[in-house]
Amino acid sequence: GAGVSQTPSNKVTEKGKYVELRCDPISGHTALYWYRQSLGQGPEFLIYFQGTGAADDSGLPNDRFFAVRPEGSVSTLKIQRTERGDSAVYLCASSLGAGEYNEQFFGPGTRLTVL
Amino acid sequence: EDQVTQSPEALRLQEGESSSLNCSYTVSGLRGLFWYRQDPGKGPEFLFTLYSAGEEKEKERLKATLTKKESFLHITAPKPEDSATYLCAVQVRSNDYKLSFGAGTTVTVRA
Repeated sequence: GAGVSQTPSNKVTEKGKYVELRCDPISGHTALYWYRQSLGQGPEFLIYFQGTGAADDSGLPNDRFFAVRPEGSVSTLKIQRTERGDSAVYLCASSLGAGEYNEQFFGPGTRLTVL
Repeated sequence: EDQVTQSPEALRLQEGESSSLNCSYTVSGLRGLFWYRQDPGKGPEFLFTLYSAGEEKEKERLKATLTKKESFLHITAPKPEDSATYLCAVQVRSNDYKLSFGAGTTVTVRA
């Protein structure tokens, strides 16, 4: 079956611009996660959705970052006033739920470059 | 604060030369330890979950083990297609959804 998909695969933007990154989870997965991965590092947690609500957004670095999941499926990560330090690969993952069934399956990522 | 340390950072192996990767962790209340494989330009691919000390899981040439302080990923008779970055991650009972990752071990297997 189809895995997690993310669009775009690459995004180049200028400092100060607004960007949106999209994630389509595996069908039937109620839990969705965003992580950020810098070069040579493991992914870092940003936010977790259970259904439509953000259950934990403690990993978002500051208020320029915001994510939504209005219908409990597709999610969008929004970054305002981008900075060069935001350059990284943004990974989305989904799982059947949290707890016992929470093996997380990752998408291919969106590589964001802020010039 | 939860800490996950992987060693070595990089490992170069000859085809058929077995070796082990280490993931040591310091957490309060481990719920599970996860191993992922990541190929360049791709997202992490799930391999194993280990839940309790003494548990072992195998998949093809890979075998993961868990103690109270660390996990090992053993690669037996590796092939060039086993070349990848291997990531381990921990999850704690108080946040049974968040994965905290190590920096990974990059394995290169030469034919």
